[in-house]
Amino acid sequence: GAVVSQHPSWVICKSGTSVKIECRSLDFQATTMFWYRQFPKQSLMLMATSNEGSKATYEQGVEKDKFLINHASLTLSTLTVTSAHPEDSSFYICSARDGIAEYNEQFFGPGTRLTVL
Amino acid sequence: ILNVEQSPQSLHVQEGDSTNFTCSFPSSNFYALHWYRWETAKSPEALFVMTLNGDEKKKGRISATLNTKEGYSYLYIKGSQPEDSATYLCASRLEGGADGLTFGKGTHLIIQP
Repeated sequence: GAVVSQHPSWVICKSGTSVKIECRSLDFQATTMFWYRQFPKQSLMLMATSNEGSKATYEQGVEKDKFLINHASLTLSTLTVTSAHPEDSSFYICSARDGIAEYNEQFFGPGTRLTVL
Repeated sequence: ILNVEQSPQSLHVQEGDSTNFTCSFPSSNFYALHWYRWETAKSPEALFVMTLNGDEKKKGRISATLNTKEGYSYLYIKGSQPEDSATYLCASRLEGGADGLTFGKGTHLIIQP
């Protein structure tokens, strides 16, 4: 149980294009989903928190117009990196929680490696 | 301590030996401490969620302790096996703070046969 998938697992795109990453909870309903990113040799850093049907809450320093998050259903959240630039190259990973698991445990997807040329 | 710190950064252990590593976290406004096991190209796997000072949790050969007053947690692996090779992440969550987790950089464990 508590499986989260992420697609694609890796993507390479040209500078200026937009990239969409999907995060799905496969066997539970995710009331809240989180998006993190990890730069080389750094820790996972929270980018934003999204609740189903609501606007996402972004962490300080994360541009909401650049990183569009949609959480339209209880099993799907998408992160769109708009007008991507090389500095957006990173590892993006989502997590989800169902509001039932003990202490609001978060379950993670396998992540997406984004490379912007 | 403002951030979550993990040590050592990497660790080589002989198969069959036991090992442990440390996670330090802010002790004020503490809510929960999470441990994850992360193998390359896979999803981080939840190991433990710990909330109470003095908590000890165990899952097979892996156990963890928690000291919320001084802000540290230890993860222990008994009788290491090659399949224990992974990066072990700890993350803290603050009471009344954001719901997201603040992660350390992880301890990369390599078990040598």
